Amino acid sequence: DAGVIQSPRHEVTEMGQEVTLRCKPISGHNSLFWYRQTMMRGLELLIYFNNNVPIDDSGMPEDRFSAKMPNASFSTLKIQPSEPRDSAVYFCASSLVSGIYQPQHFGDGTRLSIL
Amino acid sequence: GQQVMQIPQYQHVQEGEDFTTYCNSSTTLSNIQWYKQRPGGHPVFLIQLVKSGEVKKQKRLTFQFGEAKKNSSLHITATQTTDVGTYFCRGESNFGNEKLTFGTGTRLTIIP
Repeated sequence: DAGVIQSPRHEVTEMGQEVTLRCKPISGHNSLFWYRQTMMRGLELLIYFNNNVPIDDSGMPEDRFSAKMPNASFSTLKIQPSEPRDSAVYFCASSLVSGIYQPQHFGDGTRLSIL
Repeated sequence: GQQVMQIPQYQHVQEGEDFTTYCNSSTTLSNIQWYKQRPGGHPVFLIQLVKSGEVKKQKRLTFQFGEAKKNSSLHITATQTTDVGTYFCRGESNFGNEKLTFGTGTRLTIIP
């Protein structure tokens, strides 16, 4: 079975550019999570969705970040405009029913570098 | 929000030595999960503990959930080079709407 699929795997762009990260959750999973991982801050939860509805976006750093989930099989995380401090590995994870007793399945991540 | 703290942050051990990481929460947890992330990889689910005082084993790995459900530990016996990586705990709380997320992680390196 296919796991969580993220694209692109790597992204290098100049500051000020728009960046769009994509995620396809595991089929049948109804919760989706976006994380950011850096050496300084560790693994941070940015936002999560239940049944395509954003439930908690308190981890989104600022207005430059936005996330959507137009359907059960696709989500995007957008940064506009991007800044060097946004450089990190961004993970998408999915699970059955948000949080409660369900393990999260992670994608391979997108390694983002903003120059 | 509240965070689950892990200690130590880093651990270097000689191959064959034992290793333990601890996870501590200020609030009572409904359950705790453990994940392993290999260098350059993504977190992978290892196990979940739900009951107070629960102990589970996976080969050389032993997981414990504290009696008060506020702490947990992962112990690896006779470490091997394949154990290298960062170990995260993830705790969940049913109190109010506050949800805990991943702990700060313990990075394990093995000296051959």
